[in-house]
Amino acid sequence: DAGVTQSPTHLIKTRGQQVTLRCSPKSGHDTVSWYQQALGQGPQFIFQYYEEEERQRGNFPDRFSGHQFPNYSSELNVNALLLGDSALYLCASSLGSQPEQYFGPGTRLTVT
Amino acid sequence: DQQVKQNSPSLSVQEGRISILNCDYTNSMFDYFLWYKKYPAEGPTFLISISSIKDKNEDGRFTVFLNKSAKHLSLHIVPSQPGDSAVYFCAASGSHTDKLIFGTGTRLQVFP
Repeated sequence: DAGVTQSPTHLIKTRGQQVTLRCSPKSGHDTVSWYQQALGQGPQFIFQYYEEEERQRGNFPDRFSGHQFPNYSSELNVNALLLGDSALYLCASSLGSQPEQYFGPGTRLTVT
Repeated sequence: DQQVKQNSPSLSVQEGRISILNCDYTNSMFDYFLWYKKYPAEGPTFLISISSIKDKNEDGRFTVFLNKSAKHLSLHIVPSQPGDSAVYFCAASGSHTDKLIFGTGTRLQVFP
């Protein structure tokens, strides 16, 4: 049973660039959420996708956007990267509105 | 505004003894609570959850207690094992939201 997978594992970008992170949900799950985890903090909710629509959004600027595909996989896009965007980006999947979310290993983004 | 708080950044426990990790929340709309464990360079792993209609949920060595009047929950690990050494996050969700709101985590170290 495949768990949540994310790619790439690590990424280094320069300020002002754009980045795309990818996520495949756990088998059988149809909902994908994205979180940002800064050092020493808990994960912060960015947004959630269900049925290819953004269902809920956290307190993140419009530079953060996403997409969900018909096979339930998802992308997170961040434009005009800032140094403060350096963090671990976590993808979590769940089934419908069930509260248990299962996380992938994350993508470590470094902005220089 | 930190709605979920884990006031102990770290905890050290001897192998075989009980580990008690605490979590407080401020939002009375939360009705579901979860605990996650996180090893370095991995995503959070779901451990155990509890609905607000219960005050206790047990799964093997892990028990979560919920005190709604005090807005407090705790995770008990008995007996503690060296492999339990990790960062533990408390998270909350509600019927009004699909997102998980995390605390800042407690680093547990179990020593022989």
